[in-house]
Amino acid sequence: SQQGEEDPQALSIQEGENATMNCSYKTSINNLQWYRQNSGRGLVHLILIRSNEREKHSGRLRVTLDTSKKSSSLLITASRAADTASYFCATVRSGNTGKLIFGQGTTLQVKP
Amino acid sequence: GAGVSQSPSNKVTEKGKDVELRCDPISGHTALYWYRQSLGQGLEFLIYFQGNSAPDKSGLPSDRFSAERTGGSVSTLTIQRTQQEDSAVYLCASRFTSGRGTDTQYFGPGTRLTVL
Repeated sequence: SQQGEEDPQALSIQEGENATMNCSYKTSINNLQWYRQNSGRGLVHLILIRSNEREKHSGRLRVTLDTSKKSSSLLITASRAADTASYFCATVRSGNTGKLIFGQGTTLQVKP
Repeated sequence: GAGVSQSPSNKVTEKGKDVELRCDPISGHTALYWYRQSLGQGLEFLIYFQGNSAPDKSGLPSDRFSAERTGGSVSTLTIQRTQQEDSAVYLCASRFTSGRGTDTQYFGPGTRLTVL
C-alpha cells in the first residue's frame, strides 16, 4: 500500500520554466527521498531530506519538508528537456528497515 | 559492475508457469530490497534482506512469491504459478548500512514481467 499522494499527477512546462511537485504522506517519518524514473525502468535517487530538516538544495533541485503538514515539495529550476521523466517521493518511517514507501508519482514533460 | 544489475530485462511467460528473477547488488551493500511497479498499484515494497537477519517479507502479496539471498549477495525472486496480475516491473535495490550516505538506495534497471 502506498504512503502518500503526489500532485500534480502530470505537469507540462516549457524549457526554462520552474517545475514544482508536491508530496503528502500519512505517518511519521525518518526521512523523505525523491527519485526520478525514465521510461518506466530504474529509479535514480535525487535527494534526501531528514525529518529534522526543512529545506535542502542540490544543483537545480530544491526540496522542502513540512512535518507538521506531512508534506514535501520538489522544485526543479530552469528546467531542461532532459528533465522529462516521472518523479516519485518516497518515505522511510522511523525505526524502519529502510524500506521505501512511494507516492504515486508526477509525470513531468519539459517542452523544448 | 558499478551498479545493481538485474536479469532478465524482459520476461514473457504463460499463466501458471514459474519464473525466477535475479538481482546482483552493488558489492559491499548488505541491504537488498525488491519492489514491484504495476499500473494499478504503483511502486510497492515486496521484501528486504539485511545481512544474515531474517528477511522482512511483509510486502509479498501471496505465498506464490518467495525470495532468497545466497551468500549475502545475489538474490532471486521466484513467482510460482504466475497469474496475469503478476505482470509488472520488478525492481531491485541495494544500499550500504554503515557510514555516511546509508539511506540512499540504488536501483537496478528492473525486469519487466508479462504473464499471458
